[in-house]
Amino acid sequence: AQSVTQLGSHVSVSEGALVLLRCNYSSSVPPYLFWYVQYPNQGLQLLLKYTSAATLVKGINGFEAEFKKSETSFHLTKPSAHMSDAAEYFCAVSAGNNRKLIWGLGTSLAVNP
Amino acid sequence: EPEVTQTPSHQVTQMGQEVILRCVPISNHLYFYWYRQILGQKVEFLVSFYNNEISEKSEIFDDQFSVERPDGSNFTLKIRSTKLEDSAMYFCASSGAGLSNQPQHFGDGTRLSIL
Repeated sequence: AQSVTQLGSHVSVSEGALVLLRCNYSSSVPPYLFWYVQYPNQGLQLLLKYTSAATLVKGINGFEAEFKKSETSFHLTKPSAHMSDAAEYFCAVSAGNNRKLIWGLGTSLAVNP
Repeated sequence: EPEVTQTPSHQVTQMGQEVILRCVPISNHLYFYWYRQILGQKVEFLVSFYNNEISEKSEIFDDQFSVERPDGSNFTLKIRSTKLEDSAMYFCASSGAGLSNQPQHFGDGTRLSIL
């Protein structure tokens, strides 16, 4: 079985500051990991995915994430936050032939001017 | 870019009534999913659908729920007799053929409010 923990339900950063959103996973088989973003009144948009190729994954809007097996982590980062990055961010995991996504609780990112 | 579309965006229904949520997946996708998110809780998997049958369902997906692909383009979720606890945001998603690590593409969701 898989599970996801996102540390920090709310994160606040200043515009231009580093964004770090934490995600830890649990999986009995090699996982596939995803970050999705949800802007207000919109659906879930894929930011990036890890599917056992490169451990450092680059996504849209300048975000990237690094898969660290030893730490069972897949933290999301962006060097410089923009006001437009304010949204809800979700980490999700699937594994093996099972396509269902198991989700974290989400982290709400606020960007202050 | 192709997208998943869901209708309606908001549905208000009396408890005990039937409700049908509609989704049009991306046209060349073969796998379809429903998830829900109760306010303040995690997104939860409900059901996956492939080759005109359910491939997996969660404990939430009991006999009150059903899914259908009636015409080759729409994918519907029916709740036969709604309960107050069915109030949630319901998301439809689809993914392409190939390996199981294909990303799922989501619609904007239907907010279901049961009165």
